[in-house]
Amino acid sequence: GQNIDQPTEMTATEGAIVQINCTYQTSGFNGLFWYQQHAGEAPTFLSYNVLDGLEEKGRFSSFLSRSKGYSYLLLKELQMKDSASYLCAVRSPTGGGNKLTFGTGTQLKVEL
Amino acid sequence: EPEVTQTPSHQVTQMGQEVILRCVPISNHLYFYWYRQILGQKVEFLVSFYNNEISEKSEIFDDQFSVERPDGSNFTLKIRSTKLEDSAMYFCASHSYNEQFFGPGTRLTVL
Repeated sequence: GQNIDQPTEMTATEGAIVQINCTYQTSGFNGLFWYQQHAGEAPTFLSYNVLDGLEEKGRFSSFLSRSKGYSYLLLKELQMKDSASYLCAVRSPTGGGNKLTFGTGTQLKVEL
Repeated sequence: EPEVTQTPSHQVTQMGQEVILRCVPISNHLYFYWYRQILGQKVEFLVSFYNNEISEKSEIFDDQFSVERPDGSNFTLKIRSTKLEDSAMYFCASHSYNEQFFGPGTRLTVL
């Protein structure tokens, strides 16, 4: 089965750094994705990790440890527009479809 | 930048009616997906499609659901007889290798 856990809510201050954690137990692993989703909108791709380590992309970085079943998304220099839900998703090749299994999302609120 | 498009953006239907949701995936992508998201809940996988056939489907994707690629660009999801619990956002997605891109979604409301 698939189980993906992430905190439900987080609050941070504009200009600060925030780390959103994700742990997973899945049958089959072919990469971990982070998406940003504003209310009523589609998920927007942020990052992809398939090997252990850190991937950096501007203000966003994502880390993966496959042996620990753990990932985090790091957001730097927070802006008000970063207030959104952040979705952790694992891609699994089982069934041949490369489907994504999503966590429930972490609702991030950025305050002044 | 290429993007996944979906029509309509909103669909309201009566329980028991058939609906067809339409998607145009990114042109050079080979894998297509439908996901749904009930209000306030997580995104759930419905079905994946590759090489003109279903490669995987979830328990949600029962006999009331079907997918089709009627031509070289469109990808459709049909719900034969809608139920109240089918009310959700339906997202189409496509991918090449590392990135899976989502369309803007169709909000389906079943009355």
